Amino acid sequence: KAGVTQTPRYLIKTRGQQVTLSCSPISGHRSVSWYQQTPGQGLQFLFEYFSETQRNKGNFPGRFSGRQFSNSRSEMNVSTLELGDSALYLCASSNPGAYNEQFFGPGTRLTVL
Amino acid sequence: DQQVKQNSPSLSVQEGRISILNCDYTNSMFDYFLWYKKYPAEGPTFLISISSIKDKNEDGRFTVFLNKSAKHLSLHIVPSQPGDSAVYFCAADTQGGSEKLVFGKGTKLTVNP
Repeated sequence: KAGVTQTPRYLIKTRGQQVTLSCSPISGHRSVSWYQQTPGQGLQFLFEYFSETQRNKGNFPGRFSGRQFSNSRSEMNVSTLELGDSALYLCASSNPGAYNEQFFGPGTRLTVL
Repeated sequence: DQQVKQNSPSLSVQEGRISILNCDYTNSMFDYFLWYKKYPAEGPTFLISISSIKDKNEDGRFTVFLNKSAKHLSLHIVPSQPGDSAVYFCAADTQGGSEKLVFGKGTKLTVNP
């Protein structure tokens, strides 16, 4: 079974631009979660989608948004990029239920100049 | 407010010895705990988990201990191997599996040959 894939793997943008990251979950997984990893803050939860609906949201500004398609693939968008948005963005998929572990993709490394 | 804390940013042990990684949490609603291992340029990989109804869970060389009264858990790796060198993240979830994991900031384990 193929793992979680994320595209692109690396991205360089400038302040004020916007960016869209893509995530394809493991086949059959219907929940997709997004996390931001920075050296100072560790992994922080952004949001989670299930059946094209956002079910959970972390404490991030509205510049961060996402969506999920009918095939469970997900995208996240960051508008008006700031230097502090430079981070590794990780996507994880799972089948919701009691305590199913999440499987992570390799991440997208975003650098904002 | 950091709900999951890994107070040791790094740990160095000799091959063949025991590695003990610690994690503390503050939120009493957490009742499921996971450990992930992360190599550079890869996403976190699920290692082992424990439910709050247990105080110990073993999987091969990896054992997780949970002390609910102290809100403390630890991961023991015996014997440690050079391939175990990675960053280890402790994560917590709430009842029913919210798909919203709360992570610690990680401990970098180095196992010296």
